[in-house]
Amino acid sequence: GAVVSQHPSRVICKSGTSVKIECRSLDFQATTMFWYRQFPKQSLMLMATSNEGSKATYEQGVEKDKFLINHASLTLSTLTVTSAHPEDSSFYICSVYQATEAFFGQGTRLTVV
Amino acid sequence: AQSVTQLGSHVSVSEGALVLLRCNYSSSVPPYLFWYVQYPNQGLQLLLKYTSAATLVKGINGFEAEFKKSETSFHLTKPSAHMSDAAEYFCAVSDREQAGTALIFGKGTTLSVSS
Repeated sequence: GAVVSQHPSRVICKSGTSVKIECRSLDFQATTMFWYRQFPKQSLMLMATSNEGSKATYEQGVEKDKFLINHASLTLSTLTVTSAHPEDSSFYICSVYQATEAFFGQGTRLTVV
Repeated sequence: AQSVTQLGSHVSVSEGALVLLRCNYSSSVPPYLFWYVQYPNQGLQLLLKYTSAATLVKGINGFEAEFKKSETSFHLTKPSAHMSDAAEYFCAVSDREQAGTALIFGKGTTLSVSS
């Protein structure tokens, strides 16, 4: 199956700064990647669908200007949390879909202080 | 719209006991169904999936699940729990008629295993 690498695994940033999270599909060319957010003790909620070479599709309630997604190549999608605030602290996970199965990165724990 | 419901946010069993985690789906067409396990601060690992054919699906680590269309269920079982099974478990669905769409997850069930 596809191997998905996410970086960094943990990041702490100051309130007001921006943080970039990378999601790489190591052995599979992914025209579409998915970004999820998971609050403590809760389920994964789809934030956006990242499309290679075009604009991302955001789920209702997700601020596209705050969560910038770039999918410049078939193997890399980035999520940038702009002007981060403590309420943005969460676990962010990316995913690619191959055949009938989804493969997930190891996740990024973002803490905004 | 598709949805998935996991009954029981927390299940506790003794080591060696039967594990049963419940999942029901809502979809006009039987979807693809998945069970994932998540350990703290880690991504998701696929336990098993149902896409077609056999309704009894065997997965990794001794887990299995049975797809029951009449009950719109896909419950996860393991005959004998092990301490290492303690984790968060998620049931998920995807639309088989729209390949490559994002998964929709249930709220998750925390499995605790006591010695």
